[in-house]
Amino acid sequence: DAGVIQSPRHEVTEMGQEVTLRCKPISGHDYLFWYRQTMMRGLELLIYFNNNVPIDDSGMPEDRFSAKMPNASFSTLKIQPSEPRDSAVYFCASTSFPLHTGELFFGEGSRLTVL
Amino acid sequence: AQTVTQSQPEMSVQEAETVTLSCTYDTSESNYYLFWYKQPPSRQMILVIRQEAYKQQNATENRFSVNFQKAAKSFSLKISDSQLGDTAMYFCAFMKERQLLYNNNDMRFGAGTRLTVKP
Repeated sequence: DAGVIQSPRHEVTEMGQEVTLRCKPISGHDYLFWYRQTMMRGLELLIYFNNNVPIDDSGMPEDRFSAKMPNASFSTLKIQPSEPRDSAVYFCASTSFPLHTGELFFGEGSRLTVL
Repeated sequence: AQTVTQSQPEMSVQEAETVTLSCTYDTSESNYYLFWYKQPPSRQMILVIRQEAYKQQNATENRFSVNFQKAAKSFSLKISDSQLGDTAMYFCAFMKERQLLYNNNDMRFGAGTRLTVKP
């Protein structure tokens, strides 16, 4: 299996621009998670989906952040407008119960730099 | 809400020696999962070891083992015969049983411990 695929791997943008991060989960996985990692705050869970339905988006920092999962093989995390404090590594992860009993399979992350 | 605490921001160990990373957590649940994830400089998180709370036996994966103390809510990771490739950030994580996953608080990561293995 190809694993969780994220794109882009690196993104540099200017403040105010729209940013879209993409994720393809492992085929057959019914849970998908979006995490943000920074030095200051560590690993934060932003939102997660079960069977393409958002379960809890309380970790999404502001209305500037939105996430969608239009089908089982694709999800996006959008930031509009972006701000310098959004600079972080964004991870997507997927899993399937009960097969993996909670183990998360992570993508390689998207490093976002907002100037 | 569940919390996960890793009290050691950084640790170092000599190659071939043993090191223990600590993790404590707080939950009112009786059934849950605990994990240790490794994040090397390449940045991709990978699972090191998993423990199901209903199992009394400590999990072991080759050089990696845990000391799971359910009553004390402690879940430490022991790395034996440390290798240079073990240098990484290590994260302790907690997850409720699937049936109880209602919100983001039902799965938590600790702040991480940066481990350096010295030659």
